[in-house]
Amino acid sequence: NAGVTQTPKFQVLKTGQSMTLQCAQDMNHEYMSWYRQDPGMGLRLIHYSVGAGITDQGEVPNGYNVSRSTTEDFPLRLLSAAPSQTSVYFCASSPGLAGRLAKNIQYFGAGTRLSVL
Amino acid sequence: SQQGEEDPQALSIQEGENATMNCSYKTSINNLQWYRQNSGRGLVHLILIRSNEREKHSGRLRVTLDTSKKSSSLLITASRAADTASYFCATAFAYSGNTGKLIFGQGTTLQVKP
Repeated sequence: NAGVTQTPKFQVLKTGQSMTLQCAQDMNHEYMSWYRQDPGMGLRLIHYSVGAGITDQGEVPNGYNVSRSTTEDFPLRLLSAAPSQTSVYFCASSPGLAGRLAKNIQYFGAGTRLSVL
Repeated sequence: SQQGEEDPQALSIQEGENATMNCSYKTSINNLQWYRQNSGRGLVHLILIRSNEREKHSGRLRVTLDTSKKSSSLLITASRAADTASYFCATAFAYSGNTGKLIFGQGTTLQVKP
């Protein structure tokens, strides 16, 4: 059972380049989310999705786009990379259906370490 | 601003000692969770406590929740070098539209010296 898989593990971009961070889960979870982790800042929610075709913004959405065409995949797009987007990015999934909030344990991928020069 | 604030930011203890980490939050919650992150890895869920619970145990972990003070604590008893990691609290807001969103605190870095 793979769980949550993130690719790539490492990436270096130049300012202005675009790229997509991939996230896939095989647990049939409805809820998926993207976080960024910076030193001293903990994890900050970028975007999240409560099911295929439904996405919403988190705390720090600017500069990022997401889509959820299938239950399994939740890619994160950087439209025009900036040095401020240098960070470690984590994808997570959860059963998280309405009415089952008490079971919204999140399962994390291993992360993507992104450097923007 | 983030929902969870953790204290201390860093903690260093000797193997065998107990480690206590605290988390405070601002708004009403449905549940509070604790996660662990080893260096260079993703987060792993440790324990969940619901808003109507006051204490919960899992192995060497003990979590308490005081909703009147909007705070929680994580106690790791008889710590081991392998417990060295960062620990995060995360809260699920108590509103009807919340289908799973968690807000994480800044974390406590625990070092357990052999």
